[in-house]
Amino acid sequence: GIQVEQSPPDLILQEGANSTLRCNFSDSVNNLQWFHQNPWGQLINLFYIPSGTKQNGRLSATTVATERYSLLYISSSQTTDSGVYFCAVFFWWNNAGNMLTFGGGTRLMVKP
Amino acid sequence: DAGVTQSPTHLIKTRGQQVTLRCSPKSGHDTVSWYQQALGQGPQFIFQYYEEEERQRGNFPDRFSGHQFPNYSSELNVNALLLGDSALYLCASSSAGGGRTDTQYFGPGTRLTVL
Repeated sequence: GIQVEQSPPDLILQEGANSTLRCNFSDSVNNLQWFHQNPWGQLINLFYIPSGTKQNGRLSATTVATERYSLLYISSSQTTDSGVYFCAVFFWWNNAGNMLTFGGGTRLMVKP
Repeated sequence: DAGVTQSPTHLIKTRGQQVTLRCSPKSGHDTVSWYQQALGQGPQFIFQYYEEEERQRGNFPDRFSGHQFPNYSSELNVNALLLGDSALYLCASSSAGGGRTDTQYFGPGTRLTVL
C-alpha cells in the first residue's frame, strides 16, 4: 500500500513565526487532504489538494504530484494553530472506495 | 447543515465485552468510513460502507464489524474487547459513493477505553 511520511514529527514555534510542514508519499495518488486535529480529537479539513497550490488565510498548501510530496505553510502562527497536522492520501483503484492513508502527523506547539 | 455526528463521546468497557459505536453522516453524504486512532499515531482505516454494504476493509480482525442503515447512518461493533482496542474511533463521510475526487469529513470521534 501507499506509504505516507510527514516531517518534522514535532515543531515548537514562537507566536508570529512561519513554518513549513512536509508530506512525502510513495505512489501516485488521486486525492490528498491536510487536516488539523485539535486537542479534543476533532479532525478539521484544511485543504483538498491532489495537485497545485491553494491558500486559505494564513495557510497555504502546495502539492507536486509528479515528485510525490506536499507542503503546508503556516504564516504568522498563533497559539490556536497548536495541535497535530495530518496529511492523508488515497489512490482510487477499481471502484474500491476512497480509503485514506494517513501520515504520522506533525505535532505543532505555538508558544505565546 | 449538520456535520458528521458520533455517539457516544466517551465509553469505558472491560476486556471481553462488546461495544457499539454510532455515526450519522453529513447531510447529503452516502458513504461512511471508520478509522481507529491509537494514542500518538495517525488514524488507521477500518472499513467503508456504501449502499449498505462493506466496500473496502483495512487490516483489522473479524472482531470489528459494521452496518449501514438505509438513512446512511452506520454502526461499528467490536466484540471480545482487548486492551489494545483502546483508541479514538473516528467516522468520516463523503458523497457520490466516495468517488476519486471526493473530500472526506470527520466526526468528533468516540474515545473508547478498555480496562
